[in-house]
Amino acid sequence: AQSVTQLDSQVPVFEEAPVELRCNYSSSVSVYLFWYVQYPNQGLQLLLKYLSGSTLVKGINGFEAEFNKSQTSFHLRKPSVHISDTAEYFCAVSDPRAGFQKLVFGTGTRLLVSP
Amino acid sequence: DGGITQSPKYLFRKEGQNVTLSCEQNLNHDAMYWYRQDPGQGLRLIYYSQIVNDFQKGDIAEGYSVSREKKESFPLTVTSAQKNPTAFYLCASDQGNLRNEQFFGPGTRLTVL
Repeated sequence: AQSVTQLDSQVPVFEEAPVELRCNYSSSVSVYLFWYVQYPNQGLQLLLKYLSGSTLVKGINGFEAEFNKSQTSFHLRKPSVHISDTAEYFCAVSDPRAGFQKLVFGTGTRLLVSP
Repeated sequence: DGGITQSPKYLFRKEGQNVTLSCEQNLNHDAMYWYRQDPGQGLRLIYYSQIVNDFQKGDIAEGYSVSREKKESFPLTVTSAQKNPTAFYLCASDQGNLRNEQFFGPGTRLTVL
């Protein structure tokens, strides 16, 4: 079974500073990896996904993530954050062998951007 | 605009009552899902359906029931057997292809009084 660990429950950062949100996963097989963003009282929106190929994945809103198989990590980065990036971010994995897209989510990281 | 609608946005229920949460999608997606979100716990899968008239239990199905009579609709009933029903409920859908994006609705916040 897969599991996802997001060690940082909250990350405070100043506007225009860089940020990294950490995600580690546990799986005995290859997985698909996803980052979702959730604004207050809303649903989730896909930021980016890794299925195969290049380990550096670019997503929407200037975010990118790097897949590191040896460290089983998929950290999310943005070189310069905006106030509007304040939200909760979820890392998720799915098993390509499964008959459906069962997403296993981490517990989330709340990004707090202040002026 | 294509998307997923969930209603109502906020729902209050007395203990011992069943309540049904609506989820409708016009994306022509085959697969639909229900998740429960609690603070600090991420999202957990309650039920999923890959095709009309078929659905499967997820990780936390106890106290919940679903139906899938139409492709675009996947209502969730929270029964009185659910011991701790206060939570944020999210409906999602996708094309049934593991490589495609799973789209989420705006959620329903259920509070049991």
